[in-house]
Amino acid sequence: SAVISQKPSRDICQRGTSLTIQCQVDSQVTMMFWYRQQPGQSLTLIATANQGSEATYESGFVIDKFPISRPNLTFSTLTVSNMSPEDSSIYLCSAGHPGTGRDEQYFGPGTRLTVT
Amino acid sequence: AQSVTQLDSQVPVFEEAPVELRCNYSSSVSVYLFWYVQYPNQGLQLLLKYLSGSTLVKGINGFEAEFNKSQTSFHLRKPSVHISDTAEYFCAVGTGGTSYGKLTFGQGTILTVHP
Repeated sequence: SAVISQKPSRDICQRGTSLTIQCQVDSQVTMMFWYRQQPGQSLTLIATANQGSEATYESGFVIDKFPISRPNLTFSTLTVSNMSPEDSSIYLCSAGHPGTGRDEQYFGPGTRLTVT
Repeated sequence: AQSVTQLDSQVPVFEEAPVELRCNYSSSVSVYLFWYVQYPNQGLQLLLKYLSGSTLVKGINGFEAEFNKSQTSFHLRKPSVHISDTAEYFCAVGTGGTSYGKLTFGQGTILTVHP
């Protein structure tokens, strides 16, 4: 199994500012993803964090708003840029080895972001 | 593209009663199916998964689910619930190929177990 930690666990930010969320996995993983869970809603995939290259974004999400880095196999960051109240959500990192026969995919505890 | 529909947004049940949380999916390709549980103010925990093989899948905490391809369903069941099962449950679908790991989630079902 893999244990995923995220920092910060929560934050309150002012509109127009940016926040960088860190995701650390305790073992090397094949794939890492970032999801958003808006209040009262389900999870939506933002992007796949690719090691050493640009992230792959889902429809409706762009790099300028959600820049992502993944410098190695155990660490990724998501930045929420130029925040507005609509960005208030829980942001979750997930990681694992999907499609390799070890199809476990684990989720971090989430970062609860409130934008005022 | 795939989609997931969880048919009940809330399910109240008494302790020790059986429960079924319903999940239907649509996809034009073969799918992998998952159930996750989210306790208040916590992250997601994997309950069980269907990748291939036996259509009856057993998971943690006494939960099981049955994959029904003809009805495109993956309902979650537990014969006797406990107060500690109170949580939100998410059904999710994934596909293979270049989309490995990209999960599409249902809207969630809040299970409330009453004493």
